[in-house]
Amino acid sequence: DQQVKQNSPSLSVQEGRISILNCDYTNSMFDYFLWYKKYPAEGPTFLISISSIKDKNEDGRFTVFLNKSAKHLSLHIVPSQPGDSAVYFCAASARRSSGSARQLTFGSGTQLTVLP
Amino acid sequence: NAGVTQTPKFRVLKTGQSMTLLCAQDMNHEYMYWYRQDPGMGLRLIHYSVGEGTTAKGEVPDGYNVSRLKKQNFLLGLESAAPSQTSVYFCASRIASTDTQYFGPGTRLTVL
Repeated sequence: DQQVKQNSPSLSVQEGRISILNCDYTNSMFDYFLWYKKYPAEGPTFLISISSIKDKNEDGRFTVFLNKSAKHLSLHIVPSQPGDSAVYFCAASARRSSGSARQLTFGSGTQLTVLP
Repeated sequence: NAGVTQTPKFRVLKTGQSMTLLCAQDMNHEYMYWYRQDPGMGLRLIHYSVGEGTTAKGEVPDGYNVSRLKKQNFLLGLESAAPSQTSVYFCASRIASTDTQYFGPGTRLTVL
């Protein structure tokens, strides 16, 4: 049962345009959400995060939007650059039963290709 | 700071062989994690540790063992490798006060 879903395996956009990556989740206990970026042969690197008490968080060209009622979050990249071409993973974290540490649950990733 | 480092970067094993993957972090993080990444499946948690001398099972722990004898190191062991363990393995760490994990560069393991 995938609790975090990225339904688009790939996305192509033109340089300078907006990239929108989507993520859906099913577990209503998730209260913190993160986006990671991964280049080939490297580990994931943290990009941006958002707490469930907010609906938007912005960091430069990157903005994450959270719609709790729809259990949906999205990452907007404006403007997109060729160097943004990578796999993007969304991840979610939840309060857990006592004695268990908070963990991240990852989506399957979306390959973004920014065309020059 | 080197951050999170993993040794080795690549390894090829035969079925039934054993090996240990080493993860080291120099950020004084309390929590450390081992994940595997398979095509189309994202990252899945194998085991994790909340501190020196403590470990716990994640989502896919079968066939793996871990140890955290020192705060900065987290070892992942395969006692008898199987082809199903062919994957890319990532280690990550974080401080206790945040959910943000920092990842190593990965180890690509092939089991023949």
